[in-house]
Amino acid sequence: EPEVTQTPSHQVTQMGQEVILRCVPISNHLYFYWYRQILGQKVEFLVSFYNNEISEKSEIFDDQFSVERPDGSNFTLKIRSTKLEDSAMYFCASSETDNSGNTIYFGEGSWLTVV
Amino acid sequence: LAKTTQPISMDSYEGQEVNITCSHNNIATNDYITWYQQFPSQGPRFIIQGYKTKVTNEVASLFIPADRKSSTLSLPRVSLSDTAVYYCLVGDNEDTGRRALTFGSGTRLQVQP
Repeated sequence: EPEVTQTPSHQVTQMGQEVILRCVPISNHLYFYWYRQILGQKVEFLVSFYNNEISEKSEIFDDQFSVERPDGSNFTLKIRSTKLEDSAMYFCASSETDNSGNTIYFGEGSWLTVV
Repeated sequence: LAKTTQPISMDSYEGQEVNITCSHNNIATNDYITWYQQFPSQGPRFIIQGYKTKVTNEVASLFIPADRKSSTLSLPRVSLSDTAVYYCLVGDNEDTGRRALTFGSGTRLQVQP
């Protein structure tokens, strides 16, 4: 079964450093997403991406965050200057369409610890 | 307004059938109902999706009444490995206009031996 893959699985970084989280969405999918989950809390939507541009973003996705599809397979989330409160599990996801009946598939996540 | 409402937690024993009900009183005409399972430190995993009546796959069944204001995920004969958080989600969010999925707090299912 095709799956969304994410790297790294775990990253520890110092506050103020830049972090790039990488994702390879399912190959025939056109819509890409990033979610995050702070330990013990809900899964929160960050951003959705289609046709090389952001289609939606949440209030969490501020100027410190950016997304990019640098080539035909990767989808990245960059945090420019990490803060302690950015420590969370970050999930990449993808779907074929953005219709309500479409299924979104999630990767296994990248654990980010900011110290 | 909460998009979906589910019990915070449920307990069961191995071999029992578990039914988790979710209410979504404000479900829109176009909304599908999707259930995900999440284990600790893992990504949400798609379980089942439906629009109306009943849907069944190799993992679960989903019952949706005619008014679609609620849905019930049924897990037959659970095992210890079914201990997880289960999320009920509906599609378009008319409150925020957001089309991406919005997760609630989910139902924490604990299966005992």
